[in-house]
Amino acid sequence: AQTVTQSQPEMSVQEAETVTLSCTYDTSESDYYLFWYKQPPSRQMILVIRQEAYKQQNATENRFSVNFQKAAKSFSLKISDSQLGDAAMYFCAYLKGATNKLIFGTGTLLAVQP
Amino acid sequence: EPEVTQTPSHQVTQMGQEVILRCVPISNHLYFYWYRQILGQKVEFLVSFYNNEISEKSEIFDDQFSVERPDGSNFTLKIRSTKLEDSAMYFCASSVRTGSSGELFFGEGSRLTVL
Repeated sequence: AQTVTQSQPEMSVQEAETVTLSCTYDTSESDYYLFWYKQPPSRQMILVIRQEAYKQQNATENRFSVNFQKAAKSFSLKISDSQLGDAAMYFCAYLKGATNKLIFGTGTLLAVQP
Repeated sequence: EPEVTQTPSHQVTQMGQEVILRCVPISNHLYFYWYRQILGQKVEFLVSFYNNEISEKSEIFDDQFSVERPDGSNFTLKIRSTKLEDSAMYFCASSVRTGSSGELFFGEGSRLTVL
């Protein structure tokens, strides 16, 4: 069975600094997708970034980028130039290809210090 | 910006009662989902729905649960006889395409408290 592990329950970063959130996953599939979702206090989960497993190039969305290490089954999220609005719970998630079932990690609560 | 809306935001019910959680997905979306998050635990997939039928469900989604799209706009989750362990935040989501290629848009959740 596929699993997603986030080993950092909480992280803290200074405004304008860079922080990296860790995620590892376990799967025997070759066709899958990885996601980072942000859940602010408003509770609505918002997609931050998405990575297809078949792509070697790491995904980037503005200040957000990932370090996708397929062999190591690692998928970390880097937030550059952290802003106060980045404070939220961040979930790493896995999706097996051709399915609709997202498997989430337990989340990392990110605090941004002014 | 279009969004997924859920009602109620919070419902308190007695054990054994039926509960219906409602969701209005984004209008041009074709795939609909329910997830739940028990307090302090991870978000878990319950069910996906496409073309008026369940396309995938988890082992959590037993006979006590059902989903329906009664009128072409609402997407409901019904729990027939609630148990204490059903207390959780329930999230509805929708997407234009299947999950791997279509971004899931989540609602703000409905908190269910079973006493």
